[in-house]
Amino acid sequence: GAGVSQSPSNKVTEKGKDVELRCDPISGHTALYWYRQSLGQGLEFLIYFQGNSAPDKSGLPSDRFSAERTGGSVSTLTIQRTQQEDSAVYLCASSTTTGGVAEKLFFGSGTQLSVL
Amino acid sequence: GDSVTQMEGPVTLSEEAFLTINCTYTATGYPSLFWYVQYPGEGLQLLLKATKADDKGSNKGFEATYRKETTSFHLEKGSVQVSDSAVYFCALRGPDKLVFGAGTILRVKS
Repeated sequence: GAGVSQSPSNKVTEKGKDVELRCDPISGHTALYWYRQSLGQGLEFLIYFQGNSAPDKSGLPSDRFSAERTGGSVSTLTIQRTQQEDSAVYLCASSTTTGGVAEKLFFGSGTQLSVL
Repeated sequence: GDSVTQMEGPVTLSEEAFLTINCTYTATGYPSLFWYVQYPGEGLQLLLKATKADDKGSNKGFEATYRKETTSFHLEKGSVQVSDSAVYFCALRGPDKLVFGAGTILRVKS
């Protein structure tokens, strides 16, 4: 596709349920990032993939959060046993860099997660 | 660790007013600095960047100058338009990722 695609665009779930968020990066982009956007908190880094490996998982807030990337393309962010504080917009971004830090990230429109 | 601090919003201006959104950073060394913009319903996109001290980034009438003395990268525009209404994020290049500020909402009234 032309841009980074995320699905679903909105997700409402009950506390304690598991959710999966999907990101389709721009074709050919080797680097993929997950960020979380909470009201007043800005963009919080979660995890970074280079190809299928995740050199930096330091931003994952707890062991309820996990992410994988297969085939160097699609990535899934999974949140187990969701809590109300997980409510946020989850953003995915991709870039072409194969080493070092990407400076121009291409972002998707995000998944708005609401935990009731 | 690396961090970015932006002025709190929302900032509300009339069309053709002058805009300044303040941004300061804390980092080791002199990282590249960026402004990203998020228009309503769209993903964030790069607005401008500066890679070293005294560099000025510019795009779409917006400018920001990398000031290492004050560790700042304030965003300015001489005459805003309604179409500039968006959320603006200041960011720096960390060791392995971009570090973003909290974002500043800009609302421009006609």
